[in-house]
Amino acid sequence: GESVGLHLPTLSVQEGDNSIINCAYSNSASDYFIWYKQESGKGPQFIIDIRSNMDKRQGQRVTVLLNKTVKHLSLQIAATQPGDSAVYFCAERAVYNQGGKLIFGQGTELSVKP
Amino acid sequence: NAGVTQTPKFQVLKTGQSMTLQCAQDMNHEYMSWYRQDPGMGLRLIHYSVGAGITDQGEVPNGYNVSRSTTEDFPLRLLSAAPSQTSVYFCASSFQGLNAFFGQGTRLTVV
Repeated sequence: GESVGLHLPTLSVQEGDNSIINCAYSNSASDYFIWYKQESGKGPQFIIDIRSNMDKRQGQRVTVLLNKTVKHLSLQIAATQPGDSAVYFCAERAVYNQGGKLIFGQGTELSVKP
Repeated sequence: NAGVTQTPKFQVLKTGQSMTLQCAQDMNHEYMSWYRQDPGMGLRLIHYSVGAGITDQGEVPNGYNVSRSTTEDFPLRLLSAAPSQTSVYFCASSFQGLNAFFGQGTRLTVV
């Protein structure tokens, strides 16, 4: 989910469980969405993307769901592993903006307990 | 294939000093962007470019300048550093604004 201020929302899961990270996006005109993973001290790393003409897209152990009616995006991680511990960001691109101008959410910190 | 390369990785400046953060990509991407990331927050767009010779402002452009003379390079200039510019800076490149690749970041401290 989203938060205001310096404290990121945190999701704590047990190793092997499934994780669901949520994101509310702001612009109904956004046509493209990306999930990024950011490990401590590193740059964001692409996980999966989805266009607005799709509701669901699957990758390896990850699934992104898009609900345009309520402007909601979720990332599902199957069989969560300790290596999945990181901050996860959603990003949106508005359809009128062709400049690689992604708008990022504030992120959710995923903590995986062994 | 190096991807997106940022230099330096760390920098300490005194208030009022100027400097340039370098960003280079070798993927022939036309789109490049600069973001800053503050503790507990997402990335905020500073400036972006859709091709050589074309730049535009993002959400937080004040105090920063950019230029894009080549496809590969997109330097970010701090004109007169202020403590409020202490942050981690990320450069990104992409093909048509899709699936942006990020550099490893530059950690800047202004004292």
